[in-house]
Amino acid sequence: GAGVSQSPRYKVAKRGQDVALRCDPISGHVSLFWYQQALGQGPEFLTYFQNEAQLDKSGLPSDRFFAERPEGSVSTLKIQRTQQEDSAVYLCASSLGISRWGVNSNQPQHFGDGTRLSIL
Amino acid sequence: KNQVEQSPQSLIILEGKNCTLQCNYTVSPFSNLRWYKQDTGRGPVSLTIMTFSENTKSNGRYTATLDADTKQSSLHITASQLSDSASYICVVTYSGAGSYQLTFGKGTKLSVIP
Repeated sequence: GAGVSQSPRYKVAKRGQDVALRCDPISGHVSLFWYQQALGQGPEFLTYFQNEAQLDKSGLPSDRFFAERPEGSVSTLKIQRTQQEDSAVYLCASSLGISRWGVNSNQPQHFGDGTRLSIL
Repeated sequence: KNQVEQSPQSLIILEGKNCTLQCNYTVSPFSNLRWYKQDTGRGPVSLTIMTFSENTKSNGRYTATLDADTKQSSLHITASQLSDSASYICVVTYSGAGSYQLTFGKGTKLSVIP
């Protein structure tokens, strides 16, 4: 399909395990974002990539969270030593992100359907 | 601290009726304001994007307004349909230093009943 694809859709892990969540953005999209959405809340920003460069990781809640986008397309969000408070939906979004004048924050963001992570 | 506040938290309306959702923000420096629709179990879908120079934008039965002076926005839905039942999220973008970040409200949960 032409949209943002996330996998797995659901992930159950035991507390203390490591997990890896994958995001396939729309082809050609420069900007990629990760968000965390708790039940009944709006998404909270985690980190932002422009191509392979991680320009902003101020939203990552702890050093157990790590994101990468090594070739500027697919991205992986890794959570080490998971804890129960990590249970949430993790959303990925991409946007074209670039205009002739540089970063364009007015582009629409296209979201995947998220990975629902449950830590037991 | 950048914040986006939405009201009401939830709303129930009859099919065919109109409704208006509110959004107040304190995000600065402001780049644009977006409204998203999020169905249960799905990712948000963009409805409108407005920059500070735009004070209204429509997308079918959805009309968003923006008052950048008072930092308020509204989303008006006309002739509601059952498929409009979803969470509607107001999102404000701030940008600077070659990067940008979106601040999301908690959303208004709309239920349209027959």
